[in-house]
Amino acid sequence: QVQLVQSGAAVKKPGASLKVSCRTSGYSFSTYAISWVRQAPGQGLEWMGWISPYNRNTHFAQKFQGRVTLTTDTSTSTVYMELRGLRSDDTAMYYCARRGGLSNYFDPWGQGTLVTVSS
Amino acid sequence: QSVLTQSPSASATPGQRVTISCSGSNSNIGSNRVNWYQQLPGTAPKLLIYNNNERPSGVPDRFSGSKSGTSASLAISGLQSADEADYYCATWDDNLNGVVFGGGTKLTVL
Repeated sequence: QVQLVQSGAAVKKPGASLKVSCRTSGYSFSTYAISWVRQAPGQGLEWMGWISPYNRNTHFAQKFQGRVTLTTDTSTSTVYMELRGLRSDDTAMYYCARRGGLSNYFDPWGQGTLVTVSS
Repeated sequence: QSVLTQSPSASATPGQRVTISCSGSNSNIGSNRVNWYQQLPGTAPKLLIYNNNERPSGVPDRFSGSKSGTSASLAISGLQSADEADYYCATWDDNLNGVVFGGGTKLTVL
């Protein structure tokens, strides 16, 4: 079955960078884009961007342009999300999710990676 | 503030039917397909409805989606205690050129 497994929780200091991995399995890695969505504590979902493993094209929400980098490793079917210049309001659960073809729905989702930004 | 507007909460008793609404504009719901996600407490979101009214394999037909103009709705019939969760609508926004989510509706089964 299709699975997305993310790296473990992290604690970072303000100004630092974060890199979260999302290892996929159960399907052809190049066929579907992987999206990133975050959720601050007690808050709703916020879309950050996605990457197409096929051609490494990326698309980001305006809010995250210039601060987020998405990369892929086809040898391990893994997507990486790097967020730079961390602030306290970046404290959130970060999810990766597979984009449904050319549609904009996400299925399935990874289990989430809790990132805490604190001095 | 979310681009898509959802009521923060909804409640109903087991067996009842409940409807959760999602309001947007011409640049999002009015011109794009709507998806719904269910987030059970402490878990990752799960796709519930896609392309306005389609159910992924494994989602019971108690869940249904609809769209009219710049609004969309999620209906849950035969409500069960296991349905207690947060529900989010989402779609593409042509002006923002990205995916937007509603603020979420917390469903309580009384």
